[in-house]
Amino acid sequence: AQSVAQPEDQVNVAEGNPLTVKCTYSVSGNPYLFWYVQYPNRGLQFLLKYITGDNLVKGSYGFEAEFNKSQTSFHLKKPSALVSDSALYFCAVRDSGAGSYQLTFGKGTKLSVIP
Amino acid sequence: DTAVSQTPKYLVTQMGNDKSIKCEQNLGHDTMYWYKQDSKKFLKIMFSYNNKELIINETVPNRFSPKSPDKAHLNLHINSLELGDSAVYFCASSQGGSFHNEQFFGPGTRLTVL
Repeated sequence: AQSVAQPEDQVNVAEGNPLTVKCTYSVSGNPYLFWYVQYPNRGLQFLLKYITGDNLVKGSYGFEAEFNKSQTSFHLKKPSALVSDSALYFCAVRDSGAGSYQLTFGKGTKLSVIP
Repeated sequence: DTAVSQTPKYLVTQMGNDKSIKCEQNLGHDTMYWYKQDSKKFLKIMFSYNNKELIINETVPNRFSPKSPDKAHLNLHINSLELGDSAVYFCASSQGGSFHNEQFFGPGTRLTVL
């Protein structure tokens, strides 16, 4: 079975500071990992994904994420936070070994960037 | 030029009624999904269709019935609505031929059952 955990319900960071939103996963095969962002009253938007290759993945709006197989983590990062980054962030995983279309989402982490 | 659209955006109805939510995508994708997001923002997959064939059918009440008339449309019909059905329902699509393609989400339909 595939699962994903986002240990923090909320992350607060000052504008201009680096931010990290944490995600860990569990799969039986190799993971396909995704980050999505949800702004208030909107649908989810794709940010970035890890499939294979370079462990550091770059995505939209200056976000990046680092895949760490030994720690089964895929933390989302940004060098300098903007107030407009304030939103709900979801990590998601699909188990390549399961042969399933199903994407499992974490419970979400609310990011608040303080001016 | 909206990629994934849903109608209606808001739906307020009484318990016991039957309602439908429509979803359309113009991305040429072959796989579509319905998700339910509860008041705590937890996102749960309900159904998925690939080329009009049901491929994901999670444990949801059989009052919920998806219908896919073609690859570009996936509708959700709900019978005998209950208070607990109040939530935001999201439609999404992806090119399902590969398991690592990202999903594109619609704007959501906020269902309120009174």
